[in-house]
Amino acid sequence: KAGVTQTPRYLIKTRGQQVTLSCSPISGHRSVSWYQQTPGQGLQFLFEYFSETQRNKGNFPGRFSGRQFSNSRSEMNVSTLELGDSALYLCASSSQGAGNEQFFGPGTRLTVL
Amino acid sequence: QKEVEQNSGPLSVPEGAIASLNCTYSDRGSQSFFWYRQYSGKSPELIMSIYSNGDKEDGRFTAQLNKASQYVSLLIRDSQPSDSATYLCAVNPTGNQFYFGTGTSLTVIP
Repeated sequence: KAGVTQTPRYLIKTRGQQVTLSCSPISGHRSVSWYQQTPGQGLQFLFEYFSETQRNKGNFPGRFSGRQFSNSRSEMNVSTLELGDSALYLCASSSQGAGNEQFFGPGTRLTVL
Repeated sequence: QKEVEQNSGPLSVPEGAIASLNCTYSDRGSQSFFWYRQYSGKSPELIMSIYSNGDKEDGRFTAQLNKASQYVSLLIRDSQPSDSATYLCAVNPTGNQFYFGTGTSLTVIP
């Protein structure tokens, strides 16, 4: 099976812009979770989607949003970018939900200038 | 108190030695526990999952879980330089959210 894919791999944006990141889970996996990873904070949970429904949300401002499509692909959007949003954004998929094993994609490296 | 705590290290061991990585968690109701390896500049890679008290072995890796002490560990036997990475402990208390520790940096010295 192909692994989790994320696009784009790298992004450079300026403050105030918005960005959309995409994640395609492993075939058959219906749960997609998003994480932000920074050197200082480690892996921080953003949200989790299962069958197009957001089931859980981390402690991030409303500028961070996401959605999941009927084919389980997911997108996350960050509006009004701030310098502190520079991070590696990771998507992870699992077969039945976050309680099961999660498999990570390669990540999208976002740099905000 | 953080949900998952790990010693950030760095931990250095000579090649061929046993590396021991430790993790404690706060939610006593946690049911699922995972170890990930992350090389610099790469995404986390799942090494082991463990759900029951005791030991679980997979090749050179052994995960140990003690729910009464809220403690999970990872042993790496016959450590190799290629094992040099950051090791992340993850816990799933209930529901749909994982909590990750900040990771332990391991260096295996040839």
